[in-house]
Amino acid sequence: DIQMTQSPSTLSASVGDRVTITCRANQSINKWLAWYQQKPGKAPNLLIYKASSLQSGVPSRFSGSGSGTEFTLTISSLQPDDFATYYCQHYNEYPYTFGQGTKLEIK
Amino acid sequence: VQLVESGGGLVQPGGSLRLSCAASGFNFNTYWMSWVRQAPGKGLEWVANIKEDGSKKFYVDSVKGRFTISRDNAQNSVSLLMSSLRVEDTAVYYCTSTAGYLESWGQGTLVIVSS
Repeated sequence: DIQMTQSPSTLSASVGDRVTITCRANQSINKWLAWYQQKPGKAPNLLIYKASSLQSGVPSRFSGSGSGTEFTLTISSLQPDDFATYYCQHYNEYPYTFGQGTKLEIK
Repeated sequence: VQLVESGGGLVQPGGSLRLSCAASGFNFNTYWMSWVRQAPGKGLEWVANIKEDGSKKFYVDSVKGRFTISRDNAQNSVSLLMSSLRVEDTAVYYCTSTAGYLESWGQGTLVIVSS
């Protein structure tokens, strides 16, 4: 199985900050990577697919990049609504696997 | 798009449970569908996929031989039959529409496996 590792596990930041979350795969997944946001008690919400494609309705302050084994999710200017947990997921082969999550907290 | 899961509850180890997901607002029979679960306080785990016409199914190793995914395109629904349940199957189970990435999600249904 492909192992996905996110860093950091926890990130403290302030409104207006630019933040970057990294996701690494232990083998190449081409660009078959998605990012999700999850708030407590809610279902995850798709943000980015195919590494860098913004899902419809997602604010443009979210962006994704990378290919192969290293990927990043960037939020250009943090808004109060962005404090949540973020997960990456590969879909290069079965089984699909997720990173362990990055909790974005208010500093 | 709306996905509504049902069927969760408390079940004893070794027991069975059938989860259902009712889909609306999109062309159901042109989408793969998936189940994803999340144990309490833990991360996300993909469980199973089913092709648009039901002809292909894939499972995570930990549920192979115990869980069965199925769909009814006439009823716009997908199901997950879970048998030989274990304590470690305790989780919120989400139904999702799938294009590899998990596009739309239901609100989830909680399954608790406990004696």
